[in-house]
Amino acid sequence: AQKITQTQPGMFVQEKEAVTLDCTYDTSDPSYGLFWYKQPSSGEMIFLIYQGSYDQQNATEGRYSLNFQKARKSANLVISASQLGDSAMYFCAMRETGNTPLVFGKGTRLSVIA
Amino acid sequence: GAGVSQSPSNKVTEKGKDVELRCDPISGHTALYWYRQSLGQGLEFLIYFQGNSAPDKSGLPSDRFSAERTGGSVSTLTIQRTQQEDSAVYLCASSLGDRPIWGYTFGSGTRLTVV
Repeated sequence: AQKITQTQPGMFVQEKEAVTLDCTYDTSDPSYGLFWYKQPSSGEMIFLIYQGSYDQQNATEGRYSLNFQKARKSANLVISASQLGDSAMYFCAMRETGNTPLVFGKGTRLSVIA
Repeated sequence: GAGVSQSPSNKVTEKGKDVELRCDPISGHTALYWYRQSLGQGLEFLIYFQGNSAPDKSGLPSDRFSAERTGGSVSTLTIQRTQQEDSAVYLCASSLGDRPIWGYTFGSGTRLTVV
């Protein structure tokens, strides 16, 4: 079974608008971390934001925030005030405890329109 | 080093040849990971090192793929008798350890093309 599901292959957003990228996850481990990465056309993987399973508050990093709904096992990324430079692939990932690697979703391609 | 360094950045090889891809992690990062990303796809986990040992080799797609890490630092991913389906970007990442809070720092990848 897929551990990370990103149901939106592609999204469009108008410049300066906010956009939400969906991510749901599946785990029985009570301790885990959720990550979002950005991959522009250059190919590098850029870390955006982290949410721990025990964190009481939603993570925020500048224009990025993570809408963490633990009971629903969802970790949606919200980008506020979209910019043209936000156009990229966005990957949601999860890491469980122990010697387990980050597991990635299939990604969402975001296109910001002027 | 300041970041994760991968070399070469691009490699074109003939089908059937062996290739070696190198990853130099951030100094002090004990965990090292190899992923493969085919065109337009997500990241496929290949192998993970904690120190010099590889507790998880489950992602290696065939016995043509092998990897080693020496001195708890540099890692080499070797693909023997390359096939066209091996064409992909190979990404290396390192991490402080295996706690969930420790995310990864990725290298820029090696783009492998098998012709």
